[in-house]
Amino acid sequence: DTEVTQTPKHLVMGMTNKKSLKCEQHMGHRAMYWYKQKAKKPPELMFVYSYEKLSINESVPSRFSPECPNSSLLNLHLHALQPEDSALYLCASSQVQPTNEKLFFGSGTQLSVL
Amino acid sequence: AQSVAQPEDQVNVAEGNPLTVKCTYSVSGNPYLFWYVQYPNRGLQFLLKYITGDNLVKGSYGFEAEFNKSQTSFHLKKPSALVSDSALYFCAVRLLTGGGNKLTFGTGTQLKVEL
Repeated sequence: DTEVTQTPKHLVMGMTNKKSLKCEQHMGHRAMYWYKQKAKKPPELMFVYSYEKLSINESVPSRFSPECPNSSLLNLHLHALQPEDSALYLCASSQVQPTNEKLFFGSGTQLSVL
Repeated sequence: AQSVAQPEDQVNVAEGNPLTVKCTYSVSGNPYLFWYVQYPNRGLQFLLKYITGDNLVKGSYGFEAEFNKSQTSFHLKKPSALVSDSALYFCAVRLLTGGGNKLTFGTGTQLKVEL
């Protein structure tokens, strides 16, 4: 199994809603990532988890809250988002070592904030 | 700062012709360089990565990349383009930080292969 599965595929939410994005992998990877991507732009790193601990937070606003409950799951909790947060949210995973290991990406969650 | 640059927003090529998508890098030490492809409404798929010492790297779907240290380039190539190769291509560099590994992408090049 070489897949990263993200749910839901599409999400529409109001600015006062609370929602969560889910990511799952069963490749035994101990590094997991959240990226944000606007249309026709490169993905931008948001968070990195290594061995289930948050290792990188790219100064992301607190309305995005990541969680890694176990080595296979990664969540992104959303609260009080702004319309400019509308984007494709990509999850990825990789081995922690060696350092030149490739990332496996999910197909993403297309988020629209109204 | 360590980074990669893709100078072309779009590349057009006729099917059957060779294609090149350009990438230059600015990295101190050994570069960890990658190419990814993204089809519409999909995540990114790994194509290939630079391995120290191999100046010509072969990857998925018939793609290869040429590493040139003197020109600090890592251009993606394919001898004969297919219409199905039309997609968005990203060059990326893996950075080592105190908190872990970061994969940082270039701005992307839209490849359009026409009949």
